[in-house]
This record gives sequence, structure tokens and C-alpha cells, in this order.
Amino acid sequence: DTAVSQTPKYLVTQMGNDKSIKCEQNLGHDTMYWYKQDSKKFLKIMFSYNNKELIINETVPNRFSPKSPDKAHLNLHINSLELGDSAVYFCASSPGLTKSQETQYFGPGTRLLVL
Amino acid sequence: GENVEQHPSTLSVQEGDSAVIKCTYSDSASNYFPWYKQELGKGPQLIIDIRSNVGEKKDQRIAVTLNKTAKHFSLHITETQPEDSAVYFCAASLNYQLIWGAGTKLIIKP
Repeated sequence: DTAVSQTPKYLVTQMGNDKSIKCEQNLGHDTMYWYKQDSKKFLKIMFSYNNKELIINETVPNRFSPKSPDKAHLNLHINSLELGDSAVYFCASSPGLTKSQETQYFGPGTRLLVL
Repeated sequence: GENVEQHPSTLSVQEGDSAVIKCTYSDSASNYFPWYKQELGKGPQLIIDIRSNVGEKKDQRIAVTLNKTAKHFSLHITETQPEDSAVYFCAASLNYQLIWGAGTKLIIKP
């Protein structure tokens, strides 16, 4: 009964490939996020969706494209992978966007290594 | 926009001693301040949070204090144990988006 789940847990791939990471939450939350965590552990917000609508789109290369088929799922597709994309990617969800709904719950992460 | 600074970046304490991690924020409109613990190989997990209308909150060995005037908040862990070893993140909420500190690696020495 994992609250926020991600697949795959590990992803090793060659430069130039295209890959996808999937995220699902069973908390009934309206808002979902993608974060990138680099080797120095800094958490950088990439995207946020609320009820399938994109609300945060930080400065991220357009090789990264999120998709939310429904409010329980938020997938991340990455085209033409580069060495600098190697990182841990976390999915998170929160109840919503109003006061008292900001608490975020994280998935276990996807460790991406680009060779 | 909001900026959150977190200190120290690494903290080493003797088991049983207390640990304090401090964060400052820049935007006085921020009103929600969570703390997360990230163990090796796992995602960040919420351990305690505080809202701007409260000055202090405790949960067993963990406490958070907030000084709105000075725009800083702190995490206090008492009687530290080996399982407290982890990276701790503070964050401040502005317009329902969390702005994160850079993290503190807490090492508990036996």
C-alpha cells in the first residue's frame, strides 16, 4: 500500500536515448511534482501539476516533458539523454494548493545514470 | 522571490547529545515551514512542520522553533541516536510552492 510509487527504481542508459519514469499516488491528492536531486543533494523543483493541469514549469530543458493522464499519475519523459541528466528524480504529491494542503509526500526516487 | 538558507551543511554530534539545524528565509509572506529527513537511498520524509501562527512545536525528541521577526526557524533534536543520521532539509512555503534549503548532513558519532 505504498503511498507514492515510482518505476523504475534504477535506470541505466546510453547518451542520446529516450526514457520515461512513471509515478503514481494512491493518497487521493490533487497536486503532483517532479524534483531532480543532484549529487550534492540539492532538491530542484522541475514541474508541478494540479488536477492534471501544469502549474509549475521551472527552467528545465524542453527535452523533459511531463504528462498527467489523471490526477493520480504523473509521468516524466526525457528525450536525447545527456550525461548531466544523471541524478535521482523524485515524484511527490500534496493534497492541494490551499492553506494546510502544502505538505508534500515523496516517492522512493528513480536513480538515473546516463553513460 | 523566496530564498532559504540552511546551516550547517554538515553536523557531527556525539550520540546522546543535541543537534540544532538553522534556516533563514527572505519573504515574510511565507507561512508554512516543514522539515524533512532523507535517509540513504530513500525519498525525503516529513518529520515535523510549523505554521507562522505558532512559535514552537514538539514531537518527542524533535522540536521546531520559528522566529517570524528574524525570519528564521530551527530544528532541534535531543538525545540523538544512530538512526538520526541522515540529511535534513528545511523548506518555506510561498504561494503553495515549497522553497528548499540545501540540506544538512547529520552524523551521529558512537
